[in-house]
Amino acid sequence: QVRLVESGGGLVKPGGSLRLSCTASGFTFSDSYMSWIRQAPGKGLEWVSYISGSSYMIYYGDSVKGRFTISRDNAKNSLYLQMNSLRVEDTGVYFCAREYRGYEQWGQGTLVTVSS
Amino acid sequence: NFMLTQPHSVSESPGKTVTISCTRSGGSIASNYVHWYQQRPGTSPTIVIYEDNQRPSGVPDRFSGSIDSSSNSASLTISGLKTEDEADYYCQSYDTTNRVFGGGTKLTVL
Repeated sequence: QVRLVESGGGLVKPGGSLRLSCTASGFTFSDSYMSWIRQAPGKGLEWVSYISGSSYMIYYGDSVKGRFTISRDNAKNSLYLQMNSLRVEDTGVYFCAREYRGYEQWGQGTLVTVSS
Repeated sequence: NFMLTQPHSVSESPGKTVTISCTRSGGSIASNYVHWYQQRPGTSPTIVIYEDNQRPSGVPDRFSGSIDSSSNSASLTISGLKTEDEADYYCQSYDTTNRVFGGGTKLTVL
């Protein structure tokens, strides 16, 4: 059974940092393209970042470029998102998702709140 | 970069058919696959159509997808509407370095 479990969300002040994790099971993680996708309260989905299985290809959305860093540890079946210089507008639920034919699997999400 | 534009909301009665559009601006709709997701309140999105018109296992055949190059748009059609279909629906596509979601369409089945 495919499972993605995010963790690491919480309350942080503007300008602060947070590191999200996503633990995968039930599929060959090292072969999988993975993304972080976020959803602000009451708003739509926004793609944040993407990483290929070998970490050779990494891309970011314009709103997070230069502030967020995606990475993975295939030995631990884990995906990460290091978020620095956080802004109020980064508030939302952050999902990790496996990309195969579209985003086939999604985690339950972890809430990040940026507020003073 | 490109954008995908969806209507904010649509509504229809149970048993009827509804179509949700997704128009691409910046590039051809046919150049990259379009995927569709359903999101019920408080839950994670689930994919209902992948690669323009393919249905994942477990998705009812009431759901179908298509693309129209003349209008540069993709469409999600749900026939025989049920109250359980009430949800937000998102289209999504990509290019070499980006993944893009449409703004989402709230489907009300009343």
